[in-house]
Amino acid sequence: TQLLEQSPQFLSIQEGENLTVYCNSSSVFSSLQWYRQEPGEGPVLLVTVVTGGEVKKLKRLTFQFGDARKDSSLHITAAQPGDTGLYLCAGAPGGNYQLIWGAGTKLIIKP
Amino acid sequence: DSGVTQTPKHLITATGQRVTLRCSPRSGDLSVYWYQQSLDQGLQFLIQYYNGEERAKGNILERFSAQQFPDLHSELNLSSLELGDSALYFCASSVAGGLVDIQYFGAGTRLSVL
Repeated sequence: TQLLEQSPQFLSIQEGENLTVYCNSSSVFSSLQWYRQEPGEGPVLLVTVVTGGEVKKLKRLTFQFGDARKDSSLHITAAQPGDTGLYLCAGAPGGNYQLIWGAGTKLIIKP
Repeated sequence: DSGVTQTPKHLITATGQRVTLRCSPRSGDLSVYWYQQSLDQGLQFLIQYYNGEERAKGNILERFSAQQFPDLHSELNLSSLELGDSALYFCASSVAGGLVDIQYFGAGTRLSVL
């Protein structure tokens, strides 16, 4: 069974701090997606990474796909209260239509 | 607004009952997915349809069933409800249901089984 483990499960920090959340697996994925979910809403796609070692930036968010395509990280610089939410990663195993979802990192940014 | 519409937004029912959740995908999207999310947890994939046909099945209980109609809307039927079925149920849609397709999520239906 393929699993995606996210860490930490919960993170509460002050506005302006930097943070990194991780998404790890022992399996290889053909691509990996990061979503953010705000309370009362469905997840919204932030980014898709496809190539091993790929780095993508979205304003203050930096996403990296591991060289072996087994893990990914999300780094947020100078976190803001608007970054608060549940961050989910989802991996696409080759030859399968079903995304494998991590359990999420709940992030709270305090003003 | 993702363009995916889920109704109802909230549903309160009793154990043993049956409910139907409805999803209208984005215009032009052929694939629909159903997910279950318990409190502050990740998403559990239930089932996927593509153009009316079942494409993939996840951890969907036998008490649950779904279908996608010719107009591409989908319904998730939950029967013999138990307390543990209380959760958020999300529908998502994508253009073709491929691995790297963007999934657009609805706002969810919050089911409370009392």
